[in-house]
Amino acid sequence: DAGITQSPRHKVTETGTPVTLRCHQTENHRYMYWYRQDPGHGLRLIHYSYGVKDTDKGEVSDGYSVSRSKTEDFLLTLESATSSQTSVYFCAISDRQGTEAFFGQGTRLTVV
Amino acid sequence: QKEVEQDPGPLSVPEGAIVSLNCTYSNSAFQYFMWYRQYSRKGPELLMYTYSSGNKEDGRFTAQVDKSSKYISLFIRDSQPSDSATYLCATYSGGYNKLIFGAGTRLAVHP
Repeated sequence: DAGITQSPRHKVTETGTPVTLRCHQTENHRYMYWYRQDPGHGLRLIHYSYGVKDTDKGEVSDGYSVSRSKTEDFLLTLESATSSQTSVYFCAISDRQGTEAFFGQGTRLTVV
Repeated sequence: QKEVEQDPGPLSVPEGAIVSLNCTYSNSAFQYFMWYRQYSRKGPELLMYTYSSGNKEDGRFTAQVDKSSKYISLFIRDSQPSDSATYLCATYSGGYNKLIFGAGTRLAVHP
């Protein structure tokens, strides 16, 4: 696997609580992405980053925020978790525009 | 209209069959295309990466891009039960910054 670590791997949280997921890479890649995967929807882009402190929204960004204060870490925060955010979250990285992207193993989040 | 469309299947084939998986995309400016394989409860794994038009072969896998019809394909020859997985197509949108995916096709290869 490319050097991508997602943490935690599993989390159960209560509605209304804040949650932060972490993606850590050791490849020094510029681009990092957060996706959610739900049955029937494939992988949907939440936010992505094209450099330190440079981020932009994807197609399903409502209710999520991100931060990237250093190259190796990309954090995804659910400010106030809702049951609709129960999903599997994947992080991906790529070196340059248009190049191969590699995925982490995912975080399974359940909001009860 | 979604930027990348993919039939979710499921697709069931006998071992040894040739499998054809397909996606269509909306924007003729898309240049970079990828196919991923995802086993249950695992992260997507990159199978093939292609740029622009033409074919690319790697073992039993062939990726094909037809830019005139905005159609991408993945062919699997001599399919094996271990090929049973979900296959996702992907491309870059938004000035090649945003990596976007089709819905994924679930493939089952039975002995």
